Amino acid sequence: DAKTTQPTSMDCAEGRAANLPCNHSTISGNEYVYWYRQIHSQGPQYIIHGLKNNETNEMASLIITEDRKSSTLILPHATLRDTAVYYCIVRVFDSSGTYKYIFGTGTRLKVLA
Amino acid sequence: KAGVTQTPRYLIKTRGQQVTLSCSPISGHRSVSWYQQTPGQGLQFLFEYFSETQRNKGNFPGRFSGRQFSNSRSEMNVSTLELGDSALYLCASSLVQGNDGYTFGSGTRLTVV
Repeated sequence: DAKTTQPTSMDCAEGRAANLPCNHSTISGNEYVYWYRQIHSQGPQYIIHGLKNNETNEMASLIITEDRKSSTLILPHATLRDTAVYYCIVRVFDSSGTYKYIFGTGTRLKVLA
Repeated sequence: KAGVTQTPRYLIKTRGQQVTLSCSPISGHRSVSWYQQTPGQGLQFLFEYFSETQRNKGNFPGRFSGRQFSNSRSEMNVSTLELGDSALYLCASSLVQGNDGYTFGSGTRLTVV
């Protein structure tokens, strides 16, 4: 299964862009990259996902390199409420014809006032 | 609309006992997945159900089982509880299997003593 590698922790000043990197060098051609975040004692919250092209929604942007071996989640104007653990996930399609998420260890982002 | 509801929120059980956790997905969602989260292992996939059928299973012993009912509600059962089963158990639902993003519940925190 594809695995993801993320930095353990990062700090970001409030109002600045937070850029969270993820390495997924073993990803296969049909496997999507998903990003979720988890605020303490809550369930993970979906942020964004992509396959090849860069994606943007109201929460964030996702930049995927052309070789698909890495990606970056961008929170354009971080706020204190963005403090959370951010998970970069590969959605694996296996031989049974079903999907499952392979979670990494996540990046603990702290937004500083 | 109501989110994913997991009951109970907290549970304390004794080694050797069994436990049943419940998950009510978002109305209309037919896919339900279960994850175990521990400080040491992070988020690990348990199983996924779609249309009352288990479609995928993670690497957990047979003591962990689940089912899905015709109304898409799901239960997971852990028999012969061990201390290492203490964890946050998270349920996630989506409209169809492999759809864009899952919605997670807040989880059931199980403590085995």
